[in-house]
Formats: sequence, structure tokens, C-alpha cells
Amino acid sequence: AQSVTQPDIHITVSEGASLELRCNYSYGATPYLFWYVQSPGQGLQLLLKYFSGDTLVQGIKGFEAEFKRSQSSFNLRKPSVHWSDAAEYFCAVGWKTSYDKVIFGPGTSLSVIP
Amino acid sequence: GAVVSQHPSRVICKSGTSVKIECRSLDFQATTMFWYRQFPKKSLMLMATSNEGSKATYEQGVEKDKFLINHASLTLSTLTVTSAHPEDSSFYICSAPLAAETQYFGPGTRLLVL
Repeated sequence: AQSVTQPDIHITVSEGASLELRCNYSYGATPYLFWYVQSPGQGLQLLLKYFSGDTLVQGIKGFEAEFKRSQSSFNLRKPSVHWSDAAEYFCAVGWKTSYDKVIFGPGTSLSVIP
Repeated sequence: GAVVSQHPSRVICKSGTSVKIECRSLDFQATTMFWYRQFPKKSLMLMATSNEGSKATYEQGVEKDKFLINHASLTLSTLTVTSAHPEDSSFYICSAPLAAETQYFGPGTRLLVL
């Protein structure tokens, strides 16, 4: 069965420090990969997505992610975190079925220390 | 960009009553929509796939008689929580694909059953 894991439930970083959020998926073929952010009381916002091509993708707000097929991973990175980045981050995986279904990982909560 | 709306944004109801939540794609047509449930500080759990003109497809463990889904038109899907109980209290989110690999999420509906 398809699954998405995010090993880190909660991460705390200092403002200005670099960030890496981990995501691994389980599926036989290459899926579509997404990172979403959800701030308290807010809806989901798409940060970036990977479908094919260049395995390093750039997103909004200075985020990037790298797809590594050999590791079944799609880790999210940011070189310098801002206090406003504190939020819940979800990795999601989609499959090109007739339904375009998307399954979410458990999420990583990010706290930023001033 | 594409917009998906949900109504109501929050609802409080008495135990035993039924509650209907609407999901609309405002500027595009969606033959498929998805319904998710999110518990506090948890990830989004895919509940079902709503199909215009046919029956919804439910994920394993989701009670189809409890969560009735109707995809009445190409821009509207409704989720009815029947005979709601306090354990049904949650945050319900819908999404609709505009094109392949691109999901647009509604802002969510917070349901509180007293």
C-alpha cells in the first residue's frame, strides 16, 4: 500500500538557521510529490511540487526540495528560516489514477526561536 | 488562480442531527473532488472521492452511511454527516483537481458536535 512518512513530529530551529524536513514514501512507481504548509487557523498552501524532470525543485517562500529516487525521499529545505515559517508542514504524494488521489504524511510541526 | 470554497466555515450542532458541508469549485469544473478529515494537531486523512454523476468511493474504514457524499454538479460536492456525535467533531477539508497533478484545497469546515 502507498504510504508517506515524516520521521520528525516536531522540530525547533533558531531564526536564521537552515532547515531540512524529511519525507519518505512507499510506492512502486514514481509518484507526484508535494509539500504543503498549514499555519494555525489557515488553509493548506502549496509550497512546491515534483512531477518529473529536474529532481531539485524550487518553491515559494525560499523553500526547495530534492527528489531522490534511490532513497524514496523528498526532503524540504530552506537555507535561512524566518519566524513566520513556524507552521505545520505536510508532505503529500499523489498518483496519476483516474482520481488524482493525494495522500498526506503525518506532518512536522516547526517552531522558530527568535 | 483556481479557488475552492467551503460552506459553512464552522458549524455547531446537537448530537443526533445531520450537518451538510458544501464544497464548490468557483472558477473551474471538477468531475472529481476529495474529502479529508483532520483531527487537532494531526494530518489530513482522505475520507472519500466524490465523483460527479456516480457514487462516491470511500477509503477503508470510513462509514459511507455516516458520511454521505453527493456530487450534484461539476462545481459542487456535498458531505453530509448523518446523526452526528461528538466523535465526529473535526476539521473537514475538500479539494478539487484543476488539471493533472494540481489539487486546490478549500479553507476547511470546523464541525463541533455537542
